[in-house]
Amino acid sequence: GQNIDQPTEMTATEGAIVQINCTYQTSGFNGLFWYQQHAGEAPTFLSYNVLDGLEEKGRFSSFLSRSKGYSYLLLKELQMKDSASYLCAVRSDNYGQNFVFGPGTRLSVLP
Amino acid sequence: DTGVSQNPRHKITKRGQNVTFRCDPISEHNRLYWYRQTLGQGPEFLTYFQNEAQLEKSRLLSDRFSAERPKGSFSTLEIQRTEQGDSAMYLCASSEYRGRSEQYFGPGTRLTVT
Repeated sequence: GQNIDQPTEMTATEGAIVQINCTYQTSGFNGLFWYQQHAGEAPTFLSYNVLDGLEEKGRFSSFLSRSKGYSYLLLKELQMKDSASYLCAVRSDNYGQNFVFGPGTRLSVLP
Repeated sequence: DTGVSQNPRHKITKRGQNVTFRCDPISEHNRLYWYRQTLGQGPEFLTYFQNEAQLEKSRLLSDRFSAERPKGSFSTLEIQRTEQGDSAMYLCASSEYRGRSEQYFGPGTRLTVT
């Protein structure tokens, strides 16, 4: 089966650093994606990992360990506008049709 | 290009009625996906098109749901004999065929079945 786990909720303070973890068990692996979704809006793409290691993109970084089925999203210098849900998604095949999303982690950034 | 668009944005219908939603993907994207999302959950895969061919359909999807992409451009999702459990946000996404192929989502259609 396909399973993706993320913490349900997290809280952090403005200016701090937060790490959102994602563990996955899928029948195949062809890339892991992180999306941000503000309440009532559509998900927007944040980052992509297909090889092990860290990908950095401004205040956001994402890490992948394929052997452990593990990824994390690191958000630095948190801002109030970062309050949103963060979705981890795995593409499990080479043909693009098997995208599995996790339940999302709702992050609240407090002043 | 203005991104993925979906119509209508909101739909309220009575149980038993049929509804149809439309999605217009980014013009150069040949992959199109439909998802359903309920409050507090991630998007749940419904179906996938590459050009006009429907290549995958979720086993969770009942026969009341059907989707088309007749000319490989816009797509429609129809729900027949709606039930209260169909109330959700219906999201459409498109992507390119090559590279990392991240998905670009539309704003969604919120369906409420009364």
